Amino acid sequence: DGGITQSPKYLFRKEGQNVTLSCEQNLNHDAMYWYRQDPGQGLRLIYYSQIVNDFQKGDIAEGYSVSREKKESFPLTVTSAQKNPTAFYLCASRRIGDEKLFFGSGTQLSVL
Amino acid sequence: AQTVTQSQPEMSVQEAETVTLSCTYDTSESDYYLFWYKQPPSRQMILVIRQEAYKQQNATENRFSVNFQKAAKSFSLKISDSQLGDAAMYFCAYTTYSGGGADGLTFGKGTHLIIQP
Repeated sequence: DGGITQSPKYLFRKEGQNVTLSCEQNLNHDAMYWYRQDPGQGLRLIYYSQIVNDFQKGDIAEGYSVSREKKESFPLTVTSAQKNPTAFYLCASRRIGDEKLFFGSGTQLSVL
Repeated sequence: AQTVTQSQPEMSVQEAETVTLSCTYDTSESDYYLFWYKQPPSRQMILVIRQEAYKQQNATENRFSVNFQKAAKSFSLKISDSQLGDAAMYFCAYTTYSGGGADGLTFGKGTHLIIQP
């Protein structure tokens, strides 16, 4: 079945450590997105990518980095510069020209 | 920048009753899409209903319907015959039409819907 796979489901970060969240889709979608969800804050856009080897900052990109080397993969790195990384991270994708966004099941990141 | 406002942090309704969740948005665009997403305790985001701004007719999906007031920039969700499975966070979202809205959706902060048995 086609879909978006996020891994791991739970992730713990130590002080000063970079961690990478995985997002893979087999929907052949062009655009991919990373959102951060905090309690009472809704979803906020971190980064997005419309094509391979190109990506744009969203509203809260500071402390994060991404890459898009393959159409189906859009990993998110939470760097040590992100001082408040504890949140639920959602990856999404869509076909260009279609407004519907498909979501993965999310990764909960916590700080040890 | 576009903004989406959900003024009801929490709503409660009796099972089988009807409830309406409010959403307002701010935009200078004329063509756009509006959505309601449901997030149950599993935290999976599920699309409930969508509305295209150029369509005057309100969208309907089974027990879910919207009241889209373009001039007032209002987009409320009505859930009829509420069921226990409707209990969830509900998010209103917006995206522009041009280019298929590739710059992503803007979300409200959500409304927590409680269903009283």
